[in-house]
Amino acid sequence: EAQVTQNPRYLITVTGKKLTVTCSQNMNHEYMSWYRQDPGLGLRQIYYSMNVEVTDKGDVPEGYKVSRKEKRNFPLILESPSPNQTSLYFCASSFPGRGNEQFFGPGTRLTVL
Amino acid sequence: KQEVTQIPAALSVPEGENLVLNCSFTDSAIYNLQWFRQDPGKGLTSLLLIQSSQREQTSGRLNASLDKSSGRSTLYIAASQPGDSATYLCAVKGSGAGSYQLTFGKGTKLSVIP
Repeated sequence: EAQVTQNPRYLITVTGKKLTVTCSQNMNHEYMSWYRQDPGLGLRQIYYSMNVEVTDKGDVPEGYKVSRKEKRNFPLILESPSPNQTSLYFCASSFPGRGNEQFFGPGTRLTVL
Repeated sequence: KQEVTQIPAALSVPEGENLVLNCSFTDSAIYNLQWFRQDPGKGLTSLLLIQSSQREQTSGRLNASLDKSSGRSTLYIAASQPGDSATYLCAVKGSGAGSYQLTFGKGTKLSVIP
């Protein structure tokens, strides 16, 4: 089944404790991206990747890191999480040759205490 | 910078009614527009994708139209059902060089009353 998976789905952590949210897609998509969703602010892009080893900042990159060492994986790293990073995070992927339709993962709900 | 607006923010209709959700965007230089459905606490499910060269797309009871020149799209839902209750989001992809970003509206929360 074609899908985007994220892990963990739920995470509660404390300020300053490094964490990684994994994202994996099995559709051989070139583009991958991370979004956060907050009440009243909607979905905002954090980082995106056009292909392996090619990444760039979205609208709200501060406090986040990403890497793209393999085509299927695009982990989101919070080196020193803070309470303002409490949010619902989504990973997405797409293939430019098919109209660039975006496929989203199920989301990761992160709470930073 | 692209801005996407969805009106109304919330809509409640009785089962069986046909309804229209609206999406407007400020920059007409788009590559495509995509409608999503989001259930509470869940991910986004793609409903329809309209390329900039297209006027509409249909899938079952859903029909999405695009008027790029006026910066508008509508999502028409025929014969609404309680299972259609969800938040509907539209997102626009820019057509500029190196534009890899989707800009989302804040959504319309739809409630279909049995």
